[in-house]
Amino acid sequence: NAGVTQTPKFQVLKTGQSMTLQCAQDMNHEYMSWYRQDPGMGLRLIHYSVGAGITDQGEVPNGYNVSRSTTEDFPLRLLSAAPSQTSVYFCASSSVYLGYGYTFGSGTRLTVV
Amino acid sequence: AQSVTQLGSHVSVSEGALVLLRCNYSSSVPPYLFWYVQYPNQGLQLLLKYTSAATLVKGINGFEAEFKKSETSFHLTKPSAHMSDAAEYFCAVSESGSRLTFGEGTQLTVNP
Repeated sequence: NAGVTQTPKFQVLKTGQSMTLQCAQDMNHEYMSWYRQDPGMGLRLIHYSVGAGITDQGEVPNGYNVSRSTTEDFPLRLLSAAPSQTSVYFCASSSVYLGYGYTFGSGTRLTVV
Repeated sequence: AQSVTQLGSHVSVSEGALVLLRCNYSSSVPPYLFWYVQYPNQGLQLLLKYTSAATLVKGINGFEAEFKKSETSFHLTKPSAHMSDAAEYFCAVSESGSRLTFGEGTQLTVNP
């Protein structure tokens, strides 16, 4: 199993540009989430989904959009990149049948200049 | 609302010594609790989880944690630290399973 796959691993954007961070899982997990990790702040939830077609906002949703058209994919879109969005982004998936233990991807390191 | 407090952003122990990483949580319902480990430039790996079964939970790499409802705590321990345990550790809580709330993390240093 590949688990949770995130692409790209690294990205540099200019302020105002848009882009999509990709996340795919092959474990048939119903739950998927996006987090950002900043030094000294732990991981903060951006958006999450409890199944295909269902998404909701987390703690820090502003400037980001998500959609979940399939169980496998959960892309995160940055609408107009800002330097404050420089961070490491993690996608994760889980299932109620696994006691909600989330599996994390290896992350995308994003720099906005 | 759910929240997590990890006491001590940095903990340093000698190799072979006891590891104790502290986590206190706040939750309005019986929670699910987790400990994750992150090695440099990697994603998070699940160490162990509490899901309302046994209060003493054993995880990977010799770690364990005890759920204490009266103290709202879920501290992580390992009897004997190894150099390979040096990493950042995160405690997390979930009320519903659909969203995790993380603590700010504790950086563990193991000295030879």
